[in-house]
Amino acid sequence: EIVLTQSPDFQSVTPKEKVTITCRASQSVGSNLHWYQQKPDQSPKLLIKYASQSFSGVPSRFSGSGSGTDFTLTINSLEPEDAATYYCHQSSSLPHIFGQGTRLEIK
Amino acid sequence: QVQLQESGPGLVKPLQTLSLTCTVSGGSITSGGYYWSWIRQHPGKGLEWIGNIHYTGSTYYNPSLKSRVSISVDSSKNQFSLNLNSVTAADTAVYYCARIVRDYGDNWGQGTLVTVSS
Repeated sequence: EIVLTQSPDFQSVTPKEKVTITCRASQSVGSNLHWYQQKPDQSPKLLIKYASQSFSGVPSRFSGSGSGTDFTLTINSLEPEDAATYYCHQSSSLPHIFGQGTRLEIK
Repeated sequence: QVQLQESGPGLVKPLQTLSLTCTVSGGSITSGGYYWSWIRQHPGKGLEWIGNIHYTGSTYYNPSLKSRVSISVDSSKNQFSLNLNSVTAADTAVYYCARIVRDYGDNWGQGTLVTVSS
């Protein structure tokens, strides 16, 4: 079973800052890595599919990169509404696995 | 716009069966290319994939739950369902249904909290 490890677990940031969240897989997942945003008391929402493809309607400040075992979610010019927990998800092999999450707090 | 809505009891007794239904609206569950999934989130924790079903009935279950879980589809009602038997307090979680496009979940229900307690 593939393990996904996100870092950091928690980050407190100020608006307009640039944020980088990483996701490392225990073995190669190719580009089969997706990112979700979950706000408190809401269901997860897809941000990025296949490592770097933006999902429809997602603001352009969200971008993804990486392949194989190392991936990055970048949020440029953070907005207050970006306060949420972010999860990576691999679909390369079964079972599908999510990272443990990275919680972003906006100062 | 496809919408998913979970329904079912919010309280289940230990060792009983947890049963939830996901109703799909705004689109057909028999549309090709989609899988329909159940995912859960323990309180304050991360996400756990339970399993998938295709409208043809093909299923995949997470090995960690495989012995206790069953997912079925009712195309006539545009619904799919989750049964998890012999539940314990460790099964207390928010349960989400989601539409899977090839590999990723593009539409999720709002989630329903199920508490296992006597």
